[in-house]
Amino acid sequence: DGGITQSPKYLFRKEGQNVTLSCEQNLNHDAMYWYRQDPGQGLRLIYYSQIVNDFQKGDIAEGYSVSREKKESFPLTVTSAQKNPTAFYLCASSIEGGNSNQPQHFGDGTRLSIL
Amino acid sequence: ELKVEQNPLFLSMQEGKNYTIYCNYSTTSDRLYWYRQDPGKSLESLFVLLSNGAVKQEGRLMASLDTKARLSTLHITAAVHDLSATYFCAVSRDDKIIFGKGTRLHILP
Repeated sequence: DGGITQSPKYLFRKEGQNVTLSCEQNLNHDAMYWYRQDPGQGLRLIYYSQIVNDFQKGDIAEGYSVSREKKESFPLTVTSAQKNPTAFYLCASSIEGGNSNQPQHFGDGTRLSIL
Repeated sequence: ELKVEQNPLFLSMQEGKNYTIYCNYSTTSDRLYWYRQDPGKSLESLFVLLSNGAVKQEGRLMASLDTKARLSTLHITAAVHDLSATYFCAVSRDDKIIFGKGTRLHILP
């Protein structure tokens, strides 16, 4: 079955530590996205990528970094510069980005907490 | 800057009643999406609305789009407990897809 796999499901970060969240899709989608969800805040866009080796900042990119070396993979690194990383992180993909007639497909999310 | 506002943010209603969730957005958009999220879960796509006047229905849910007013509505008919969830609208522009804060719907038996 095609879909999006996020791992791990739960992640704990120590002070000063960088952590990387994995997102893999086998839907052959061109566009991939990372969102952060806090209670009462809805989903906020961190980074997005329309094609391999290219990505753009979303509304809250500070303290995060991404790479898109393969079409299937879009890992998100939460750096030590992100002072309030505790949140639910959702990865999504779509066939052709914001002009798609199809909805985004979402992974099951990674819940990140500070130790 | 594209902004998406939903209201109400919280809604508690009785089974069997009708209600409407509103989604306003600030600039012209290419697409509008509605999603459902159950607690602790990911998002499930409900509707994609592509043009002015578009209306889509699935069971007790009906979504519509007025691009001139920059407004979409999600109407719930004769609510049942299984529809309790958080509902998000999202709007696309220039390859970005921006979400509203969501409407938490609680349907009382």
